[in-house]
Amino acid sequence: LAKTTQPISMDSYEGQEVNITCSHNNIATNDYITWYQQFPSQGPRFIIQGYKTKVTNEVASLFIPADRKSSTLSLPRVSLSDTAVYYCLVGARMDSSYKLIFGSGTRLLVRP
Amino acid sequence: GAVVSQHPSRVICKSGTSVKIECRSLDFQATTMFWYRQFPKQSLMLMATSNEGSKATYEQGVEKDKFLINHASLTLSTLTVTSAHPEDSSFYICSASIPGGQGNTEAFFGQGTRLTVV
Repeated sequence: LAKTTQPISMDSYEGQEVNITCSHNNIATNDYITWYQQFPSQGPRFIIQGYKTKVTNEVASLFIPADRKSSTLSLPRVSLSDTAVYYCLVGARMDSSYKLIFGSGTRLLVRP
Repeated sequence: GAVVSQHPSRVICKSGTSVKIECRSLDFQATTMFWYRQFPKQSLMLMATSNEGSKATYEQGVEKDKFLINHASLTLSTLTVTSAHPEDSSFYICSASIPGGQGNTEAFFGQGTRLTVV
């Protein structure tokens, strides 16, 4: 199972760009990298998913180097409402099911 | 996007009683659903994988007789916490996956159920 390592917490200010890096040294060839956001007492919400290079959507960008052993979630111009826990996940294929194992996540605090 | 609905969103029960939590995929069929529990300030811990029409697969350390999972249809999985005790108080979250056409899989999460056992 691919294990992920992220910083426990990060602080930022409104309007800044935030980059959260995740290490996944044992990622398998078929695994995708997915980032989720979770607010207190809510289920995680999908942010972005990628396999290699760069992926961008309306809320974030995901940078994945060629060796795929890490990835960086980039949040442009964060606001107070981006204060949440961000999880980097790499899917694990076992017995034809596709389990998502959560790491510790990164607790992002955005200050005014 | 796809929606996964959990019910109830919060429940308080007496110690020794059983509580059932439902997880529904509203606009897609989910052959696989997952159940997680989350304690305050901690990450989600995978409890079990629920497979439609077959027995659930439990993670190590999770008591299958205490946390009964039933996945009788492609849109519904239920988690029953039997003989609940205060230490079972937690936030329970389900998710359902849709295999993507390119080998990726996207998971959608329910809003969670806050269980308090008194």
